[in-house]
Amino acid sequence: AQKITQTQPGMFVQEKEAVTLDCTYDTSDQSYGLFWYKQPSSGEMIFLIYQGSYDEQNATEGRYSLNFQKARKSANLVISASQLGDSAMYFCAMREKGAGGTSYGKLTFGQGTILTVHP
Amino acid sequence: DAGITQSPRYKITETGRQVTLMCHQTWSHSYMFWYRQDLGHGLRLIYYSAAADITDKGEVPDGYVVSRSKTENFPLTLESATRSQTSVYFCASRKGQGNSYNEQFFGPGTRLTVL
Repeated sequence: AQKITQTQPGMFVQEKEAVTLDCTYDTSDQSYGLFWYKQPSSGEMIFLIYQGSYDEQNATEGRYSLNFQKARKSANLVISASQLGDSAMYFCAMREKGAGGTSYGKLTFGQGTILTVHP
Repeated sequence: DAGITQSPRYKITETGRQVTLMCHQTWSHSYMFWYRQDLGHGLRLIYYSAAADITDKGEVPDGYVVSRSKTENFPLTLESATRSQTSVYFCASRKGQGNSYNEQFFGPGTRLTVL
């Protein structure tokens, strides 16, 4: 089974509108973390936002927020007021505790969603 | 400049040749990682290291070798390159201990083509 599933290969949004990128995950750990990264066409990986499994409130970072629904095992990224510069590939990733009680922080990534922002 | 760097940024090689991709970070982060990125697969972990001289396999380690004699360097070697190893390779590092929150910082990537 996929540990991280991003079901939207591509998404389109109009400039200044909000968009939600879906991410579901699968883990039996109680302690885990969820990350979103942005990869523009230039190729670098840019960290956007983090949500810990014990965090009671949804994480927010500027125009980015993470809609964390633990029971549903979903961690959707919401981008408000989209900008042309938001056009990029977006990856959801998970850090699990793993066997032996530690994972050293290694991440499991989803396949990514390509977001295109139209003017 | 401080940060995490990779070299070379682009490499073309032939099947059967040995290739080493370099990764250097200036933060003295304990944890370092190598991922490969392929269409349809996202990023997949090849190897990781918790400290100098401590390394372990990730999801797709076959055909790769790593070493970590110094904290700041984490080279990845393809012992005998194959076409299936054509990919973009990312090195990453992380500061924190165990399962505490610390983001991973990624290098700029190395685009490797094996002919």
